Amino acid sequence: DARVTQTPRHKVTEMGQEVTMRCQPILGHNTVFWYRQTMMQGLELLAYFRNRAPLDDSGMPKDRFSAEMPDATLATLKIQPSEPRDSAVYFCASGLAKTGGGYEQYFGPGTRLTVT
Amino acid sequence: AQSVTQLGSHVSVSEGALVLLRCNYSSSVPPYLFWYVQYPNQGLQLLLKYTTGATLVKGINGFEAEFKKSETSFHLTKPSAHMSDAAEYFCAVIDTSGTYKYIFGTGTRLKVLA
Repeated sequence: DARVTQTPRHKVTEMGQEVTMRCQPILGHNTVFWYRQTMMQGLELLAYFRNRAPLDDSGMPKDRFSAEMPDATLATLKIQPSEPRDSAVYFCASGLAKTGGGYEQYFGPGTRLTVT
Repeated sequence: AQSVTQLGSHVSVSEGALVLLRCNYSSSVPPYLFWYVQYPNQGLQLLLKYTTGATLVKGINGFEAEFKKSETSFHLTKPSAHMSDAAEYFCAVIDTSGTYKYIFGTGTRLKVLA
């Protein structure tokens, strides 16, 4: 049963520290998404990759956040420096998108980040 | 650009009663529509999807949704609610006018009363 995996599942850090979240998409999927979920803002798209190339990162605060896909099996989301307002659950999702067609997204279990 | 609107951020139903969660979409082309469910402390998981073909779509856990082009709606229903259905439900559409990313609704939290 193929799944998206995320590490760590929980992270508590102090303001100003660097945070790195990792995601392993489902093997063979060509799209990867990073979302952030909070009670106040709901589910927000931060970044979107297709075939490892960034397609949309308009939802991501550029001054402190960065997202990369070093290879097809790993996506990373970094926050440097972290701030208390970054406290949220961060989800990674992957899917197999085909030109002109619909596709399903498969979500990981999330990383719950708390910045004190 | 496509968009979705979910009416009602919170819905309460009695156990055994009909579940109806509303979703309206905006799209100038045939849409790809989805319902996802999120249980507490978990990621979202696919309930059902509409891409082409039959307008009544059946999903997991007894849920179904009907694509109504004339009403631009894709409402989610279940004939009889179970306590385990308590969760948050998200409607989504693929943005086929741009990068093919998902556009999610704001979610509806379903509470099932004993």
